[in-house]
Amino acid sequence: EVQLVESGGGLVQPGRSLKLSCAASGFTFSNYYMAWVRQAPKKGLEWVATISTSGSRTYYPDSVKGRFTISRDNAKSSLYLQMNSLKSEDTATYYCARQGATEGMGYWGQGVMVTVSS
Amino acid sequence: DIVMTQAPLSVSVTPGESASISCRSSKSLLHSNGITYVYWYLQKPGKSPQLLIYRMSNLASGVPDRFSGSGSETDFTLKISRVEAEDVGIYYCGQLLENPLTFGSGTKLEIK
Repeated sequence: EVQLVESGGGLVQPGRSLKLSCAASGFTFSNYYMAWVRQAPKKGLEWVATISTSGSRTYYPDSVKGRFTISRDNAKSSLYLQMNSLKSEDTATYYCARQGATEGMGYWGQGVMVTVSS
Repeated sequence: DIVMTQAPLSVSVTPGESASISCRSSKSLLHSNGITYVYWYLQKPGKSPQLLIYRMSNLASGVPDRFSGSGSETDFTLKISRVEAEDVGIYYCGQLLENPLTFGSGTKLEIK
């Protein structure tokens, strides 16, 4: 069974940093692209980042480019999101998702809440 | 960026009836390889999104065949036949043709 479990969320002040983690199991992690998608309270889905299987290629929307860094450790089947210079508009639930070549974002974690506030 | 526009904003359906949700993209999602990169997701209340349909018309594993996807290059439809109470939630379309990946704003399905 595919499982994705996020951790590392919490309350953080504007301008500070936070690192999210996603522990994957139930599939060969190194074979899949992985992604982060967020959802602000009562809002829709927003793609945040994608990373290739080896980690050599990363992709971001303009809203987080230069502030967020996605990375992975295939030996540990883990995905990360380093978030710097956080803003109030980054407040959201962050989901880790498996991004398959065929099924797209076929599996999602339960999400982790990040609140950026002073 | 590719804009995904969904309609209606919400729909109320009697159990056993059918429902259709529309999604329109600002650019063709048909790749030169013949694949149309539109996806449908359902987010049940308090839960994470789950994949329903991939590549416009393919049913994801474990999804009831009451769900179906169809469309053209820019206009897509999710149809739910014989709606059940468990189908309530917000339905999103999304595109994986190119970055930035984008989603529609969602359609809320309620039961009458």
